[in-house]
Amino acid sequence: NAGVTQTPKFRILKIGQSMTLQCTQDMNHNYMYWYRQDPGMGLKLIYYSVGAGITDKGEVPNGYNVSRSTTEDFPLRLELAAPSQTSVYFCASSFQGYEKLFFGSGTQLSVL
Amino acid sequence: QQQVKQSPQSLIVQKGGISIINCAYENTAFDYFPWYQQFPGKGPALLIAIRPDVSEKKEGRFTISFNKSAKQFSLHIMDSQPGDSATYFCAASNKGAQKLVFGQGTRLTINP
Repeated sequence: NAGVTQTPKFRILKIGQSMTLQCTQDMNHNYMYWYRQDPGMGLKLIYYSVGAGITDKGEVPNGYNVSRSTTEDFPLRLELAAPSQTSVYFCASSFQGYEKLFFGSGTQLSVL
Repeated sequence: QQQVKQSPQSLIVQKGGISIINCAYENTAFDYFPWYQQFPGKGPALLIAIRPDVSEKKEGRFTISFNKSAKQFSLHIMDSQPGDSATYFCAASNKGAQKLVFGQGTRLTINP
């Protein structure tokens, strides 16, 4: 049972490039979340999904897009990467919404 | 009103001592208050959680104290051990929101 799997673990982007952060979970959870973690700033919610085909914005959605075509996968798309998007990105899932989130191990992204 | 304020940002405690981390919130609709523990290079993991119908919840050496009137809650780690060295996040939510709001995090170091 792998839980929540994120790829890649590390990535360096140049300003203006685009990329997709992958997230998949094998727990049949309906709820999935994308957070970014910046030093001293805690975890900020980017986007979330309550089920396949349903997504909604979090606190800091600008510069990002998501899709949820299956229960298992919740990719995060960065368009036109900017230095302000340098961060550690975490995907999470849960069975009952906000209770007991299971996090992946994160993707460390640097935009230079 | 959606913020959760956490303090201190960093904390150093001697082995065997008591570690105390505090959080405050403003939204009186919050009805679920978890603490997450994060080790370096890993995603956060649920440590312990409380609902406002009780003032205290204890699991082993970890205790949450909850003060509804002051809109504050805290994590106490008794007999702190070097293995407790990690970053701790408080969070809050309510059933209708389907998502957590996280505090800024506290980096705890337990000196041997």
